[in-house]
Amino acid sequence: EAGVAQSPRYKIIEKRQSVAFWCNPISGHATLYWYQQILGQGPKLLIQFQNNGVVDDSQLPKDRFSAERLKGVDSTLKIQPAKLEDSAVYLCASSTPTAPNTEAFFGQGTRLTVV
Amino acid sequence: AQSVTQPDIHITVSEGASLELRCNYSYGATPYLFWYVQSPGQGLQLLLKYFSGDTLVQGIKGFEAEFKRSQSSFNLRKPSVHWSDAAEYFCAVGAFGSARQLTFGSGTQLTVLP
Repeated sequence: EAGVAQSPRYKIIEKRQSVAFWCNPISGHATLYWYQQILGQGPKLLIQFQNNGVVDDSQLPKDRFSAERLKGVDSTLKIQPAKLEDSAVYLCASSTPTAPNTEAFFGQGTRLTVV
Repeated sequence: AQSVTQPDIHITVSEGASLELRCNYSYGATPYLFWYVQSPGQGLQLLLKYFSGDTLVQGIKGFEAEFKRSQSSFNLRKPSVHWSDAAEYFCAVGAFGSARQLTFGSGTQLTVLP
């Protein structure tokens, strides 16, 4: 079974530029999450999708971050404009909400450096 | 709101020694608890999970964890550490229902000495 795919793996941009990350979840997983992991910290949830709808985006800085999952499969997370403090690893995860006692599966992440 | 505390930022053990990583959680209902491991440049790999039932949970790579409700703890243990276990370990609590989300601790970095 293929895992959660993310691209790119690494990205370096200058502050005030824009950037986009892509995630393709495990096939059949209706729930998709984006987490931000700042160096030295645990991952923090940014947004959760159920199919193509947003379940929770309470911790997403909406003035600069946006995310979509238009067809309920893959997802894009965008930052515009980027700030130095956005340097982090962005992790995508997916899970199947209907199966009991299952966990979320994580991709390898995209490491963003803002200079 | 739920929270997770991992009091040890960095732990160093010798190869072959036993290991215990501490995790304390705060959650208003029966928690769903997880331990993940993250190697440099890699994503998070699930070591084990607790949903209900037996409070001693076995995971992959010889790890186990014990849920202690009275102490709000879910400590991770391994009887004999291997050099390949060097990584960062994260404890997480899950909120289930309409929103299955994870709240992570800040992690414990494990160094293994030869």
